[in-house]
Amino acid sequence: EIVLTQSPVSLPVTPGEPASITCRSSQSLLHRNGLNYVDWYLQKPGQSPQLLIYLGSNRASGVPDRFSGSGSGTDFTLKISRVEAEDVGVYYCMQGLQTSITFGAGTKVEIK
Amino acid sequence: QLQLQESGPGLVRPSETLSLTCSVSGRSISSSGNHWGWIRLAPGKGLEWVGSIDYSGTVRYSPSLKSRLTVSVDTSQNQISMILSPATATDTAVYYCVRHAQWLVKVDWWGRGTTVIVSS
Repeated sequence: EIVLTQSPVSLPVTPGEPASITCRSSQSLLHRNGLNYVDWYLQKPGQSPQLLIYLGSNRASGVPDRFSGSGSGTDFTLKISRVEAEDVGVYYCMQGLQTSITFGAGTKVEIK
Repeated sequence: QLQLQESGPGLVRPSETLSLTCSVSGRSISSSGNHWGWIRLAPGKGLEWVGSIDYSGTVRYSPSLKSRLTVSVDTSQNQISMILSPATATDTAVYYCVRHAQWLVKVDWWGRGTTVIVSS
């Protein structure tokens, strides 16, 4: 089973400042088709999770362009260029390369 | 607009059967390119994949749940179901019905979730 390690566990942020979360995989998530099979999700308080980034770097429909995903192989990063108050919640990376999906443990983003 | 609505008993006794249904509206579950699944969130834990099924009927289960889990579709009702038996206290969680836009990735639609408590 592929293990995803997210850091940090908790991230206090200042509105208007940038923020980043990393996700490290125990195995390469690069498919032979050249795509990285990693997504990023945000679960806001009291809501269902929502898709932010899919296949490593593709922003989902309706997601603000302050969110971006990067990385390849085993190391991935989610960046928020300028944090807004509505960005608080728990962020998860997820991989679906093999026949078993796994999630990172989550990063809780809070406003300072 | 796709909508996913989970339903099931809020309380299940340990060793009994946990059975959930997801009613899908706005799209046929059997149309190509649609993949469906269940993801759960236990108290104090992170998201955990339960299992997924694609439009052709291929299923994949979490290795840790595989021996107790069945995921299926009812095309006549446009529903997805999951059965976990026997249930244990560690199955207490919010269960989300989801759609994958691509097999095993890109979970682009989530239901509101249904809470299941396994307790005597």
